[in-house]
Amino acid sequence: ETGVTQSPTHLIKTRGQQVTLRCSSQSGHNTVSWYQQALGQGPQFIFQYYREEENGRGNFPPRFSGLQFPNYSSELNVNALELDDSALYLCASSRTSGVYNEQFFGPGTRLTVL
Amino acid sequence: AQTVTQSQPEMSVQEAETVTLSCTYDTSESDYYLFWYKQPPSRQMILVIRQEAYKQQNATENRFSVNFQKAAKSFSLKISDSQLGDAAMYFCAYRSGGGSEKLVFGKGMKLTVNP
Repeated sequence: ETGVTQSPTHLIKTRGQQVTLRCSSQSGHNTVSWYQQALGQGPQFIFQYYREEENGRGNFPPRFSGLQFPNYSSELNVNALELDDSALYLCASSRTSGVYNEQFFGPGTRLTVL
Repeated sequence: AQTVTQSQPEMSVQEAETVTLSCTYDTSESDYYLFWYKQPPSRQMILVIRQEAYKQQNATENRFSVNFQKAAKSFSLKISDSQLGDAAMYFCAYRSGGGSEKLVFGKGMKLTVNP
């Protein structure tokens, strides 16, 4: 069983640019959540996708957007990058079925905004 | 809104000894889950242990156990027989019982295990 994978591992962008981060969910999982983890902080929830629909959003501006594809993989897009967007971006997948389902995390993408 | 607080930014423990990590949370909900996650230097977040709020019995997973005090909104993690591989960042997290699977994390605590 393949775990959650993310690409790229590292990324450097400049302020004002746009970035797309990718996440492949674990086999059989239909829900993907994205988190932003600033240096020295705990992860903060950005949003969640369930069966290709956004199903919950944290306190992030609209320039953070996402997609989930029919194979349940997902993208996180960030427009107009700001210096404070520098962080580790984590995705987590789970198989939502009405009862508790564990979220499995990917290794993350380290984004640096210069 | 729910909040999770980890007041100890760092702790250290001798190999084979026992250490307790503390966490408090705030919520008005009655149905929720609490978690301890481990994030080793390689960055991949791993679930250590889970506690359902409706369960009075404290969860245990091998060397890991929790002390869940619902009235006090306290959720501590005890690691027994500490091993070098336990060295990592530990995060306490909260999730509501229904709807979104959103996790609310604390700021984390760095655990060092000394040989």
